[in-house]
This record gives sequence, C-alpha cells and structure tokens, in this order.
Amino acid sequence: EDQVTQSPEALRLQEGESSSLNCSYTVSGLRGLFWYRQDPGKGPEFLFTLYSAGEEKEKERLKATLTKKESFLHITAPKPEDSATYLCAVFTGANSKLTFGKGITLSVRP
Amino acid sequence: DSGVTQTPKHLITATGQRVTLRCSPRSGDLSVYWYQQSLDQGLQFLIQYYNGEERAKGNILERFSAQQFPDLHSELNLSSLELGDSALYFCASSVSTENTEAFFGQGTRLTVV
Repeated sequence: EDQVTQSPEALRLQEGESSSLNCSYTVSGLRGLFWYRQDPGKGPEFLFTLYSAGEEKEKERLKATLTKKESFLHITAPKPEDSATYLCAVFTGANSKLTFGKGITLSVRP
Repeated sequence: DSGVTQTPKHLITATGQRVTLRCSPRSGDLSVYWYQQSLDQGLQFLIQYYNGEERAKGNILERFSAQQFPDLHSELNLSSLELGDSALYFCASSVSTENTEAFFGQGTRLTVV
C-alpha cells in the first residue's frame, strides 16, 4: 500500500527564516509527486508536479525537489502570506488516485 | 479560482438522511475525482470518473455513490448519513486520467447532526 509521511506536522517560522518541508514516500512505481497548498476552509491549490529523481521546480519563494525516497519543499525568505497547510501526494497510476500525506501546517510570523 | 465549481458550499443535515453534492469540472477536463477530508484522516480518495465511466474506486462506503453525466458534471450521493460522515468533500478535475495537475474545487462542508 502506498504511504506518504510528511514532517514536521507543524512549523512556525519568523518572516525571512528559510526552511524545508519533508515528504517521504513508500510506493510501487512512482509516476508523479505533487505538492499542493491548502488555506483553511479552501480546496487544495496545485503547486508542483515532480516526475523523476533529481527533478527540481521553482515558483516564487518555493522550490520542490525529488529523490527516490522523499521530496522537499524549500521555502526561501517566507512571508506571512505563505502561511498555509502544504500537502504532498503521490501518484502511481495503479488506480488513478492520489495518495495524500496529512500535511504540514506552516505559520510565518511577521 | 480553479475553475472547478462545487455546490452547495455548506450542508447541515440529520442522521439517516440522504444528500447530493454537485461538481462541475473545469472546461475541457474529462476526469472527475471525489475526496473526503476529515481532521483525523486527511484527504481520502473516494472515486474517479472519466468521460462518464467509473474509472477507479478508493475508500468509498457502500452508502455512498457517484455518477458523471454526459455534460461531465458529477454528483456524489451520500445516504443513511452518520455523524462520522461529517467532513469536507472535495471534487477535483483533470484533463486525463493521469492526475497531472488535478484542480480542486472549494469543497462542500457537510455537517451531520
């Protein structure tokens, strides 16, 4: 069974304090790893898709990387508006579903 | 705005009742997914439809069913509701079955009392 573990569960940063969020996975035949951002009471917002180990993608202050066992979401000089829950999900293609981790709640203080 | 529309946004109903949640996918998307999100379980995949046909099933209870209509909108039917069914229900859509860049709606918050 596909498993996705995200750590830490919650992270509090000072504005400008860079950090990384971790997503480790155990799957058979990874075909894609997805990062989403979710604000309270809202639907997940797509951020990145990574397909193979070594791949990196960037968007503003966010950079996602992928290895064979885990993915990192690096946040550089975060701002309070980056506060949200960040979800990681894997897709193996076996049954067309995304398996999500439980998310990391990021809080950035001004 | 993701382009995926879900109605209603909020629903309060009593145990034992039946409700229908509706989802309109983004224009051009053929694949629709339903997810349930509760505080303790996170996002759980329920079911997927592609171009009107059921494509994949996840942890969907027998009391729940779904369908996708010719105009590609989808409905999730929840019956014999229990307190534990209270959750956020999300619909997502993508162009294909590959879940690449699946876009989520704003969800329907179901409260069973």
